[in-house]
Amino acid sequence: KAGVTQTPRYLIKTRGQQVTLSCSPISGHRSVSWYQQTPGQGLQFLFEYFSETQRNKGNFPGRFSGRQFSNSRSEMNVSTLELGDSALYLCASSLAPHNPGNTIYFGEGSWLTVV
Amino acid sequence: DAKTTQPPSMDCAEGRAANLPCNHSTISGNEYVYWYRQIHSQGPQYIIHGLKNNETNEMASLIITEDRKSSTLILPHATLRDTAVYYCIVTGDKLIFGTGTRLQVFP
Repeated sequence: KAGVTQTPRYLIKTRGQQVTLSCSPISGHRSVSWYQQTPGQGLQFLFEYFSETQRNKGNFPGRFSGRQFSNSRSEMNVSTLELGDSALYLCASSLAPHNPGNTIYFGEGSWLTVV
Repeated sequence: DAKTTQPPSMDCAEGRAANLPCNHSTISGNEYVYWYRQIHSQGPQYIIHGLKNNETNEMASLIITEDRKSSTLILPHATLRDTAVYYCIVTGDKLIFGTGTRLQVFP
C-alpha cells in the first residue's frame, strides 16, 4: 500500500511569507505527526494530530500551526517565515497515538528554503 | 531531551555484521525501543522496535538486555546501501530523536 505522501517536495519562499505543507498518511492511519529537521538542531517534534485534534505539541513558536481533516490528511503552516525555518519538514503517520507499541512511518519530507 | 546515548560513528566492512549499541538507562516500564535509519536527504526509515524480548525481522535483529538499560541493533550482513544514520529511540507516545550513529559500510 502507498506510504506517507508529502507535498510539495521542494519549495523556496521569501522571508515574511507563509507556507503550507501537506501530508497524506498511510491508508487507515489516523494519527499524523510533524517533525522539523535542521543540521543544527536535528530532528525535532512539532505536533501530533488525531481525529482532527492536536494531541501533543513540541516547543515551537505559534508561527507553526497545523490541522487535520476528517480523512486524516494533515497540513502544517508556517507564517512570517524566517531564515531559520529553512529545514526538512517530515510527516509521520501511525494507526493511533499514545500507544507505545505503534509503528510510526515517515514520508520523504518537504524541503523548505527561506531566502 | 533524548533518552538514549549512541556512539557518533561506526565503520563496518561489507558482508560483515554491524552491531550498533544504544544505552537507555532511564527507560521506564511501558517504553519501547525503536530503531530508525536515515539515508541522506530521505525520511527516516523504520527498522524494528521491541519492549523487552529480542526481535527479528527481514531487516535486522534487536537485542535488549534483561534490565532493558541497553540494546543492540544487528544488521547481519551489511551492504553499502546500509550506510546511513541510525537512531535509537525510547518512546512513550512520541519519538524524540537523538543525534544517532553514522554507520559507514565500506567495500
